[in-house]
Amino acid sequence: QKEVEQNSGPLSVPEGAIASLNCTYSDRGSQSFFWYRQYSGKSPELIMFIYSNGDKEDGRFTAQLNKASQYVSLLIRDSQPSDSATYLCAVKAGYGNKLVFGAGTILRVKS
Amino acid sequence: EAEVAQSPRYKITEKSQAVAFWCDPISGHATLYWYRQILGQGPELLVQFQDESVVDDSQLPKDRFSAERLKGVDSTLKIQPAELGDSAMYLCASSKDTGGTQYFGPGTRLLVL
Repeated sequence: QKEVEQNSGPLSVPEGAIASLNCTYSDRGSQSFFWYRQYSGKSPELIMFIYSNGDKEDGRFTAQLNKASQYVSLLIRDSQPSDSATYLCAVKAGYGNKLVFGAGTILRVKS
Repeated sequence: EAEVAQSPRYKITEKSQAVAFWCDPISGHATLYWYRQILGQGPELLVQFQDESVVDDSQLPKDRFSAERLKGVDSTLKIQPAELGDSAMYLCASSKDTGGTQYFGPGTRLLVL
């Protein structure tokens, strides 16, 4: 079983809709969760992170954690064509701040 | 805004040749990471430094890969000899300390022919 799993997509949503991205993780002791956005050919860019103590909202983005089911979600409200990218979920694991990444979900926002 | 610098941005080499990548982290960031990202996959940690010391190199193929951060600032990742399967994006990231948020540089895209 992979440590962090994501549906590869693509997830297609119309402009203005809510995009919902999910990932599951295997280490029940994980405390920190990160969402990175990666445009084609570019490096990952941090969108937001949450800790195990609660959800977080930042502008159009909301990250939610379901500890019981071991999954993390990212909601993007009012999706824009510029949101079209690959979204990487990462979980901090073990000593030394190591991030374990999922393979990413491709999001396509159609105008 | 401070950024992680990497060079070169692109590198094409033939198999069995040596290649080297350079990374300069955000000023003041003590922790530096090298990741490899194969197309269609997420980044995978190769090596992590805390200042000049290696914290984690468990996934670094040590028969051909080496990494150093001699003065605890910039870092070099070397592959010798390169193999076809090494074609990937090599990403450098840094954080203030071992618990801090990681910020990525632009990456070096390597193609081995």
